[in-house]
Amino acid sequence: EDQVTQSPEALRLQEGESSSLNCSYTVSGLRGLFWYRQDPGKGPEFLFTLYSAGEEKEKERLKATLTKKESFLHITAPKPEDSATYLCAVQGSNAGKSTFGDGTTLTVKP
Amino acid sequence: KAGVTQTPRYLIKTRGQQVTLSCSPISGHRSVSWYQQTPGQGLQFLFEYFSETQRNKGNFPGRFSGRQFSNSRSEMNVSTLELGDSALYLCASSLSRDRTGYTFGSGTRLTVV
Repeated sequence: EDQVTQSPEALRLQEGESSSLNCSYTVSGLRGLFWYRQDPGKGPEFLFTLYSAGEEKEKERLKATLTKKESFLHITAPKPEDSATYLCAVQGSNAGKSTFGDGTTLTVKP
Repeated sequence: KAGVTQTPRYLIKTRGQQVTLSCSPISGHRSVSWYQQTPGQGLQFLFEYFSETQRNKGNFPGRFSGRQFSNSRSEMNVSTLELGDSALYLCASSLSRDRTGYTFGSGTRLTVV
């Protein structure tokens, strides 16, 4: 069974203070690893897909990386509007099903 | 381009009742998945539909069911509601089943009293 563990559960940063969120996964036959952002009262918003170890994707202040066991979401010089819950999900050998982690809630203080 | 539309946004039901939730995917998206989100359990997979066929089902009791229509719109039904069914129910659509991220709707907040 696919498993995803995210850490830390919560992260508080000062504006401009860079950090990383971790996503550890166990999956048979990784088809894709996905990062989402969720704001309170809304559905998750898709950010990135990573397919193989060594791959990296960037979007504004966010950069996602992938190894064979984990993925990192690096946040460079965050702003208060980056405050949200960040979710990691994997799709394994079972196409059509994604397994989600519990998320990391990021708070960026001005 | 319209996003994924879920109706209703909020619902209050009594234990023992049944409920039907609706989801209209992004035009052209044939895969529709449903998730239950609660503070304690996170996002739990309910089921996935593609071309009107259920392709995957999560570990939920038979009280939870769904279907997909020929226009890709989907509904999920929960019968004999229990207090523990209170949750945010999220619908997600994608262009294909494989190796593609989802576009989620805003969800239906179901409260069972």
